[in-house]
Amino acid sequence: EAQVTQNPRYLITVTGKKLTVTCSQNMNHEYMSWYRQDPGLGLRQIYYSMNVEVTDKGDVPEGYKVSRKEKRNFPLILESPSPNQTSLYFCASRLGRTYEQYFGPGTRLTVT
Amino acid sequence: AQTVTQSQPEMSVQEAETVTLSCTYDTSESDYYLFWYKQPPSRQMILVIRQEAYKQQNATENRFSVNFQKAAKSFSLKISDSQLGDAAMYFCAYRFGGQNFVFGPGTRLSVLP
Repeated sequence: EAQVTQNPRYLITVTGKKLTVTCSQNMNHEYMSWYRQDPGLGLRQIYYSMNVEVTDKGDVPEGYKVSRKEKRNFPLILESPSPNQTSLYFCASRLGRTYEQYFGPGTRLTVT
Repeated sequence: AQTVTQSQPEMSVQEAETVTLSCTYDTSESDYYLFWYKQPPSRQMILVIRQEAYKQQNATENRFSVNFQKAAKSFSLKISDSQLGDAAMYFCAYRFGGQNFVFGPGTRLSVLP
């Protein structure tokens, strides 16, 4: 089944404890993105990648890192999480520039 | 700055009736795409409809259609024959460049039986 998977789906952590949210797609898509969703703000793009080893900042990259060492994986790294990073996070991928974007199921992160 | 505005935080519609969700955007780009996404309580993001800016014809997908007014930078979604399963949060989104997406704040749609 073609899909985008994210792990974990739920995570509660403490301020400053490094964490990684994994994202993997099995559709051989070139483009991948990370978003955060907050009430009243919709989704905001954190980082995106147009191919292996090619990443760029979105609208809200502060406090986040990403890597794209393989085409299928695009992990989101929070080196020192803070409470303002409590949010719902989505990974998405698409085949190319004009194609539909497929979203993962979301990761609910709470930082205390 | 690129922005997307959805002026209706919440809306409701009677089952089988028609409802229109509004969306306006601000851009200086000439090449872009517009989208409506649906997010049901499961949180899954589902593409409802898309519109290429260079196409004058409004996109339609079964009961869903858009009214794209490029000069006014308006992109409204019309849902006909509303069904209970249409109840969800709806996001208008705009994509420019290769991978830059901007989403609106969303409109929560309730469908009344």
